[in-house]
Amino acid sequence: QKEVEQDPGPLSVPEGAIVSLNCTYSNSAFQYFMWYRQYSRKGPELLMYTYSSGNKEDGRFTAQVDKSSKYISLFIRDSQPSDSATYLCAFFNFGNEKLTFGTGTRLTIIP
Amino acid sequence: NAGVTQTPKFQVLKTGQSMTLQCAQDMNHNSMYWYRQDPGMGLRLIYYSASEGTTDKGEVPNGYNVSRLNKREFSLRLESAAPSQTSVYFCASNRDPSGELFFGEGSRLTVL
Repeated sequence: QKEVEQDPGPLSVPEGAIVSLNCTYSNSAFQYFMWYRQYSRKGPELLMYTYSSGNKEDGRFTAQVDKSSKYISLFIRDSQPSDSATYLCAFFNFGNEKLTFGTGTRLTIIP
Repeated sequence: NAGVTQTPKFQVLKTGQSMTLQCAQDMNHNSMYWYRQDPGMGLRLIYYSASEGTTDKGEVPNGYNVSRLNKREFSLRLESAAPSQTSVYFCASNRDPSGELFFGEGSRLTVL
């Protein structure tokens, strides 16, 4: 079983829609839960991170963590064409200082 | 503020040739990393350096060597390139071990 599972997509939605991106994980030692955004032909950049179950909002973005189900989500409200990118979930284990990435979901927002 | 700079951005090699990918960061970060990114495989760690003078293997180190030249620079060398090393390579850095990495723009390598 992979430590992290992420649907690769691609996912296409119309502008203004709510987008839901998801990852599941199996390692209970993961303590930080992150979302990176990667534009085409660029390096990933950290979008949001959280370390507790529940929701964390930042503008149009909400990161949700459910540790009991080992499931994290990223919601994008009022999606814009500029949100078109690949979104990678990532998990940090402070015990071995290892960062584990999902494979990424490619998202396209259609104007 | 340049952040993490990688050179070259593109390179085509023949099987068996060698080359070095260069990486430099200007954020005074202690830790530096080399990843490769392949379709369907995500980002995989090749080597990392937790501090100047130290290097450690990551998930996929075979066929690569690294040098932490100083605090700013971390190079990745392919001694005898193979087609399986065709990939996009990313250098990253952070101040201390955490999930927040700062990435360069990538180096696209094709081995024929």
